Amino acid sequence: GAGVSQSPSNKVTEKGKDVELRCDPISGHTALYWYRQRLGQGLEFLIYFQGNSAPDKSGLPSDRFSAERTGESVSTLTIQRTQQEDSAVYLCASSLEGSNQPQHFGDGTRLSIL
Amino acid sequence: AQSVTQLDSHVSVSEGTPVLLRCNYSSSYSPSLFWYVQHPNKGLQLLLKYTSAATLVKGINGFEAEFKKSETSFHLTKPSAHMSDAAEYFCVVTRGTSYGKLTFGQGTILTVHP
Repeated sequence: GAGVSQSPSNKVTEKGKDVELRCDPISGHTALYWYRQRLGQGLEFLIYFQGNSAPDKSGLPSDRFSAERTGESVSTLTIQRTQQEDSAVYLCASSLEGSNQPQHFGDGTRLSIL
Repeated sequence: AQSVTQLDSHVSVSEGTPVLLRCNYSSSYSPSLFWYVQHPNKGLQLLLKYTSAATLVKGINGFEAEFKKSETSFHLTKPSAHMSDAAEYFCVVTRGTSYGKLTFGQGTILTVHP
């Protein structure tokens, strides 16, 4: 498809386990963003990739959170030693470079920590 | 720093009546402003964007928004609501830097009654 693809769509795991979330951006989009959406709240910025470098990681909540990107393609967000407060929908977006470029969002990964 | 305030957490209208979703922003820079819509269990879809061109911006599905600098507002309107408009709407601001670190409002849930 032509849109942003995220997998898995749902993930349920036990507290303390590690999880890996995947994002496939739109082809040609050099900018990639991860956001977190807690129940009933707006989105919180987590990290921005320009190509495979991350100039802005300021939104990552703790050192349990990390992200990588391969070239201008797939990105993975990893949460280690998950906690219940990590339960949220994690959304990925991609765009062309520039702050006025609209970001195209995937459908998100709904993460539930038991 | 920038921030966004959506003045109503819930708005309820009857089908065929006008829609008004209110948004005020604060930004130290010339902002880019967006409205996104999120249907249940879906990612976000861009409705429209303002990037310092015309102050009245037309978007998809009959929505439009007017940028009023003097009032620091960017309210979203539609002349006639449709049942399919029922969703959550987010007002979003990003400052005029090289990348789109979005700041989201808390969202407004729009309910449309038959």
